[in-house]
Amino acid sequence: DQQVKQNSPSLSVQEGRISILNCDYTNSMFDYFLWYKKYPAEGPTFLISISSIKDKNEDGRFTVFLNKSAKHLSLHIVPSQPGDSAVYFCAASANNQGGKLIFGQGTELSVKP
Amino acid sequence: DADVTQTPRNRITKTGKRIMLECSQTKGHDRMYWYRQDPGLGLRLIYYSFDVKDINKGEISDGYSVSRQAQAKFSLSLESAIPNQTALYFCATSDPLPSSGRGETQYFGPGTRLLVL
Repeated sequence: DQQVKQNSPSLSVQEGRISILNCDYTNSMFDYFLWYKKYPAEGPTFLISISSIKDKNEDGRFTVFLNKSAKHLSLHIVPSQPGDSAVYFCAASANNQGGKLIFGQGTELSVKP
Repeated sequence: DADVTQTPRNRITKTGKRIMLECSQTKGHDRMYWYRQDPGLGLRLIYYSFDVKDINKGEISDGYSVSRQAQAKFSLSLESAIPNQTALYFCATSDPLPSSGRGETQYFGPGTRLLVL
């Protein structure tokens, strides 16, 4: 039973345009959400996070939006750059589960010059 | 120097062999994790440890065992490797103390690519 789902395995975007990566979850106890970025031959690196008490968090070109009623979050990258090409994982945790992360399947973003 | 290191980075082994993957961290974190990544499945938790005396099974612990030798070291063993354990394995650490209100964030090593023939 996949509690965190990223339904798009891949996404291709033109440089300078917006990239929108989506993530859905089923567990209403999740209270903290994160996005990780992974380049080939490297481990995932933390990108941005959001607490369930907020609906938006912004860090430079990256913004995460949380819609609790829809159990949906999204990562917006504006403007997209070729160096953003990577696999992006959505993850969620619940305090009552000791902070363990549940990951989505990942979305491979390709930003074309 | 990397905060979380994994050895070996690549390993080829045969079915039935016992192998160990090692993880070391210099972040001073108490919590450590082992994940495997498979295409289309994301990262799945194998085992985790919240301190040296605490070991817990994750989502997919069958066929694996772990040892927490020290706060900084957490090793994963495949007692008798099988081909469907071919995957990319990641170690991660975290600090349970909230950082800038962000909550708990995990930091990953570079991964070990394992091929079981």
